[in-house]
Amino acid sequence: GAVVSQHPSRVICKSGTSVKIECRSLDFQATTMFWYRQFPKKSLMLMATSNEGSKATYEQGVEKDKFLINHASLTLSTLTVTSAHPEDSSFYICSANGGIGDEKLFFGSGTQLSVL
Amino acid sequence: GENVEQHPSTLSVQEGDSAVIKCTYSDSASNYFPWYKQELGKRPQLIIDIRSNVGEKKDQRIAVTLNKTAKHFSLHITETQPEDSAVYFCAANIGSYKLIFGSGTRLLVRP
Repeated sequence: GAVVSQHPSRVICKSGTSVKIECRSLDFQATTMFWYRQFPKKSLMLMATSNEGSKATYEQGVEKDKFLINHASLTLSTLTVTSAHPEDSSFYICSANGGIGDEKLFFGSGTQLSVL
Repeated sequence: GENVEQHPSTLSVQEGDSAVIKCTYSDSASNYFPWYKQELGKRPQLIIDIRSNVGEKKDQRIAVTLNKTAKHFSLHITETQPEDSAVYFCAANIGSYKLIFGSGTRLLVRP
């Protein structure tokens, strides 16, 4: 299957700082990537759809100024958590369809964010 | 809005027994239904999927059934093994590629 790489896998930061998470499609081009958030023992909650070359589409209740998404190329999407607070601590995971026209969704390895 | 409901939230079975997880979806336009397995601290892995033009699909010990009229789909695992223990998520597509996930089922297979 398609490979999605996500970095970093774990980050600890102080409250008020910003954190950038990278998501790369390694062996295919991804015009669309998705960012999910997962709390412990909970489901995957879709935060936003990242579109290459255009603005991201955010789900209801997700602050676009808090979670900045940039999809500058066909293989890279980034999520920046701005002015992080302890309540932003969570597991963030990106995903991409395995190429144009492929419905199958492949996930990155996730980033565990801990805000002190 | 659109949602996917999943039951049960936890399931404990004896090794060798079968396990069944059920999901319902709300968007009648959904036509793609994947199932993911997630081990602790790991990424979700696609284990099987089904499209709306078929009612059943099987891959070794795993099978998925779909009842489009009732908007139900189920995952069946036969001859369960301890390594099947994980959290399983169902999902349904909204629009072309966006997936909405169920709440997850924690499966424990007792040796």
